[in-house]
Amino acid sequence: QVHLVESGGGVVQPGGSLTLSCSASGFSFSSYGMHWVRQAPGKGLEWVAFIRYDGGSDYYADSVKGRFTISRDDSKNNIYLQMSRLSAEDTAMYYCAKDSIADSYFDFWGQGTLVTVSS
Amino acid sequence: DIQMTQSPSSLSASVGDRVTITCRASQTISAYLHWYQQKPGKAPKLLVYSTYSLQNGVPSRFSGSGSGTDFTLTISGLQPEDFATYYCQQSYILPRTFGRGTKVEI
Repeated sequence: QVHLVESGGGVVQPGGSLTLSCSASGFSFSSYGMHWVRQAPGKGLEWVAFIRYDGGSDYYADSVKGRFTISRDDSKNNIYLQMSRLSAEDTAMYYCAKDSIADSYFDFWGQGTLVTVSS
Repeated sequence: DIQMTQSPSSLSASVGDRVTITCRASQTISAYLHWYQQKPGKAPKLLVYSTYSLQNGVPSRFSGSGSGTDFTLTISGLQPEDFATYYCQQSYILPRTFGRGTKVEI
């Protein structure tokens, strides 16, 4: 069965950097695009970034463009989210989610990793 | 960006009730509309994809309908495990956008 496990969250100071990881199993990882979605405490869901199955293209929400970078390592079945110039507005639970291909919905989600930006 | 407007933002219902949640897109999204359920402290879970298709394992009391800009999620016969927050989401174009959620409470 599909299993996604995020890691790398923690407390970071404003202006700092952090890299999140998502380890995938249970499906043919190199055939699927992957997303990061976040949720600020008590708030709704916000799509953050997407990387194509082949790593050939990546896309970002305007709120993170130029500060976050999504990448993948198919040899490890992992995706990553490099985050820099973090601010309090980036405090959230970060989920990785598998793309469905057809119609591109999020068919499986990890349990999330919490990022807190605070001094 | 496509704005997704969900209503109501919250509702109170009883076990056995029929519940309807609506989602309106700011422009046409064809049938690229999906619904997720989220329980407190848990990750979202896909319920309905592409407007009306139920994800594997989702009970048949859940149903989706609509097209273009107006969509509906219906729960026919609310069960105790259905009390949660529900989100709609469009995948017509990037950026992917979500509704603000509908909290279904007892």
